[in-house]
Amino acid sequence: QITLKESGPTLVKPTQTLTLTCTFSGFSLSTSGVGVGWIRQPPGKALEWLALIHGDDDKRYRPSLKSRLTITKDTSKNQVVLTLTNMDPVDTGTYYCAHRQIGDSLIFDLWGQGTMVTVSS
Amino acid sequence: SYMLTQPPSVSVAPGQTARITCGGNNIGGISVHWYQQKPGQAPVLVVYDDSDRPSGIPERFSGSNSGNTATLTISRVEVEDEADYYCQVWDSTGSVVFGGGTKLTV
Repeated sequence: QITLKESGPTLVKPTQTLTLTCTFSGFSLSTSGVGVGWIRQPPGKALEWLALIHGDDDKRYRPSLKSRLTITKDTSKNQVVLTLTNMDPVDTGTYYCAHRQIGDSLIFDLWGQGTMVTVSS
Repeated sequence: SYMLTQPPSVSVAPGQTARITCGGNNIGGISVHWYQQKPGQAPVLVVYDDSDRPSGIPERFSGSNSGNTATLTISRVEVEDEADYYCQVWDSTGSVVFGGGTKLTV
């Protein structure tokens, strides 16, 4: 059974760096083709993909945020960490991590419960 | 970057058929996936690769994709189907793209 859970601060100040951790179980991120992605959702708005990391350490980023994002994995701990620098109030929202299903298509078949992050001074 | 266009809202009576569209340039040439999100909950995959259903998803959920429009069809709509629905693709640049979401009111 695959599960994912996000953790991190609920409140950050503008200009600070956000660090979120996705702790997962039920799969290994050392398996080729497996991936973990991060997706966020501002309050009342649509889903927005941020980043994706695969078992072979291939990394993909949302082009408009690439300069501010870093995604890494710790296979031994079954964790994926996302950092987002220079936080702004527009970055407020719920941040989800999700499992990428093995296959030719990029499908997020299972999601964590999400963690709400507020950016405010 | 690739853009996906969804109607903001769709309304349907219980027992009827709901159709939610997702527009994109030549979207028929790429795989489309659909997620259901109920208030306060994480998204759930309901259709993948245009028309396949994950295990546990009712047969009432189906999908199609051709030309510039992909469609999620929900037959015999139930009150519990009321939710936001998002389409998603993997574009040619390697980016994941979500549509703007459609609120289904039953």
